[in-house]
This record gives sequence, structure tokens and C-alpha cells, in this order.
Amino acid sequence: EAGVTQFPSHSVIEKGQTVTLRCDPISGHDNLYWYRRVMGKEIKFLLHFVKESKQDESGMPNNRFLAERTGGTYSTLKVQPAELEDSGVYFCASSQDRWGAFFGQGTRLTVV
Amino acid sequence: QKEVEQDPGPLSVPEGAIVSLNCTYSNSAFQYFMWYRQYSRKGPELLMYTYSSGNKEDGRFTAQVDKSSKYISLFIRDSQPSDSATYLCAMSQTGGFKTIFGAGTRLFVKA
Repeated sequence: EAGVTQFPSHSVIEKGQTVTLRCDPISGHDNLYWYRRVMGKEIKFLLHFVKESKQDESGMPNNRFLAERTGGTYSTLKVQPAELEDSGVYFCASSQDRWGAFFGQGTRLTVV
Repeated sequence: QKEVEQDPGPLSVPEGAIVSLNCTYSNSAFQYFMWYRQYSRKGPELLMYTYSSGNKEDGRFTAQVDKSSKYISLFIRDSQPSDSATYLCAMSQTGGFKTIFGAGTRLFVKA
């Protein structure tokens, strides 16, 4: 069984540019989550999809962040325009139920 | 005040030791409790989960939840060098999937 896959693994962009992160969940997992870990801080919840619907987006930091989940399959997280404080590791996870969320390896984003 | 407090360590133990990892929390609405293990440059991996109070054992791992004290623990018996990783506690409320993570404790098991 393929795990959760995230693209790219690393991204370095300049302040003000746009970056799009992609997540391919485990097939059949209706629940998809985005999390972020900034330097020295805890992993923070960003949002939760059930299929293609946003169930909880209370963790999204501001309107520069936009998440979508096309057809209930893969998801993208776009940051536009990127700021220095957006640097960190962005994790995607998926699950069939509330237990056993499988995490991807993360995308390390550096904004310079 | 953080909702979940976890000592970041590092914690260094000899091979074969019993390891105790702990978290405290402030939100009494938390009902689901999880422990994740994270190796360097990898995503977190779910180790154990429990609902409400009580104990749960899986091989060398035991998870305990004491809701009256708002305190959860993970015990690792017969620790191995391969257990060296960061251990994250996590918890969520009934009715939602939003998971709150602790800072993680870095564990080193010396051969």
C-alpha cells in the first residue's frame, strides 16, 4: 500500500513569490489534514478535509493560504504571497477514521 | 499557556532501560490521546492511541491516561537503539478531528 506522498520535498522561494504544495493521500482515505511545524515550535493543525469539503480550517494562519482538494483525492496548499514566517515543514496526513492518521514525509519550505 | 506541555529533552538512556515519556494538558475536553514517533527528516508515525482514561499495551509500549490529573504517559520497556527518535504526544476532542501536538521529546538509547 502506497503511503502519503508529498511534493516537493524541499522548496526555496523568495519572499513575495507563490508556492504550491501537493499531497497525495492513501487511496480510500476520506480524511485529509494539513499541519505545519515552524522552527522550534509544535506541529500545528492547519485544516481538515472530508472528501472534497473543508471540515475545519480553523488553523489556517491567514488568507494568504489556500487549500483545495480536487474530487476528494489529492490536495494542494498554496501560499501567495509567501512571507519569511511561512518557512517550516508542512505535513499532510490522511485517515479512514479519527485513528491512525498516516503522515507524509513533509515539504520543507524556506522563504528567503 | 500551551494546551499541551511536553518536555523536549533530550532524554538519554542505556539500552534495555525502561523509558517514561509524559505530557500534561489543560483542556479537559480532550478525549482522544495519541503517541507518535518521528525519526529525523520523516513524518510522524502513529504508535499508540487511547480513548478517555486507562491503559493500553502493545508489545514493549504502554500508554496511560489519567484524566483526573490531565496527564498522559508512554512507557517503553527494554529500550533499543532503534527507539531513538522524537516522541510526540497528541490529543483531540470529541466531535472534531483537530489534533493538538506536544513539542516532542527527543530520546536517545545508547547501545
